[in-house]
Amino acid sequence: QQQVKQSPQSLIVQKGGISIINCAYENTAFDYFPWYQQFPGKGPALLIAIRPDVSEKKEGRFTISFNKSAKQFSLHIMDSQPGDSATYFCAARRDQFYFGTGTSLTVIP
Amino acid sequence: DAGITQSPRHKVTETGTPVTLRCHQTENHRYMYWYRQDPGHGLRLIHYSYGVKDTDKGEVSDGYSVSRSKTEDFLLTLESATSSQTSVYFCATQLSGTGTYEQYFGPGTRLTVT
Repeated sequence: QQQVKQSPQSLIVQKGGISIINCAYENTAFDYFPWYQQFPGKGPALLIAIRPDVSEKKEGRFTISFNKSAKQFSLHIMDSQPGDSATYFCAARRDQFYFGTGTSLTVIP
Repeated sequence: DAGITQSPRHKVTETGTPVTLRCHQTENHRYMYWYRQDPGHGLRLIHYSYGVKDTDKGEVSDGYSVSRSKTEDFLLTLESATSSQTSVYFCATQLSGTGTYEQYFGPGTRLTVT
């Protein structure tokens, strides 16, 4: 079964808006939660990551919000730009990585 | 980009033929991984290696084998390719298994089994 559930499958946002992608998990043994960005024809690249002892991590326009009790974490992209148009994957790690199914983000100029 | 190359980048093969994909890294990372990426499934782990000659299975290992005879090379073999193995295959590396878990991905190999 899917260890990490990601939503939405696709997302369209206006330039300057906020993009929000959500992930949920069940295994409380997961100890590392990264987000990856993937452009067409390329391999995924690490965007930002968080550990479960922290509720929020911000790097530039990208923020992870982590809710341990709800077993959910989300990626917020502030001031979304057309260059952010890509597929985003969440993941969770315990011995090995389990990935969400991906969100295709389109930022409209 | 981390120094990870994959070869070939594209391959078309027939059902029943053996196929070997190669991942080469110049980062001296201890851990190496093979994933497959399919629509609706995200990335799924096939096999991984935590050192030379040390490998283990991932969640979708059936029909695949791996070998790692040198730190820099990790080979994925499909013994007898099937149409269900049509996918994009990504190699990834990780410096170590403790402390830092950042994974670096290669550019991928698109495999089509006809």
